[in-house]
Amino acid sequence: QSVLAQPPSVSAAPGQNVTISCSGDSSNIGNNYVSWYQQVPGAAPRLLISDSNKRPSGIPDRFSGSKSGTSATLAITGLQTADEADYYCATSDNTLNVLFGGGTKLTVL
Amino acid sequence: QVQLVQSRAEVKKPGASVKVSCKTSGYMFISYGVSWVRQAPGQGLEWMGWISGYDGKTNYAQKFKGSVTMTMDTTTSTAYMEVTSLRSDDTAVYYCARDEVYSVGWLDFWGQGTLVTVSS
Repeated sequence: QSVLAQPPSVSAAPGQNVTISCSGDSSNIGNNYVSWYQQVPGAAPRLLISDSNKRPSGIPDRFSGSKSGTSATLAITGLQTADEADYYCATSDNTLNVLFGGGTKLTVL
Repeated sequence: QVQLVQSRAEVKKPGASVKVSCKTSGYMFISYGVSWVRQAPGQGLEWMGWISGYDGKTNYAQKFKGSVTMTMDTTTSTAYMEVTSLRSDDTAVYYCARDEVYSVGWLDFWGQGTLVTVSS
């Protein structure tokens, strides 16, 4: 059971938009940045969003992150079949440990 | 370009130890840290701990204190993680990832993963 709560799955059609939520508390998300990772089956995770809302070089602007209070959201616009993957949020806690959400499986219908 | 290349897959018996290496290139090793993350079959990501490439300072997840040791070698820009007293539920893919140098941050480059299978 992860400390950070994510929906197990979300789905949408190509071209549509989708959001994935990540809920924590004041000891983690509430006082720290959030990062988001994409993992396609059989591959290592890839950083999508750092510092709650910053995209590393090479990440399309279809991906965006936001944080409000003790929750964070990953938004993906203009869904593509290549976006089908597992998505994980992460943050740190007051002991400087990294916490991962349980992951959300995105299905592009 | 930044690369983290991990050692090959291992098969170990329960009670044995395993040491996974993570050779880095394309950046200044001492300016970053390395975090280790594992993923059991069909499960999510689990952070194990972090080591600074600057001074070797470590920070372990509570669950792994006493069973995991992270070290590094600045001369070869390589990080290592050793897990002792292996059990079947330690079967997982183990990843190293580049992290911040003074504390945990975000993991911007990842190794390809090392599958460790624990089986009698």
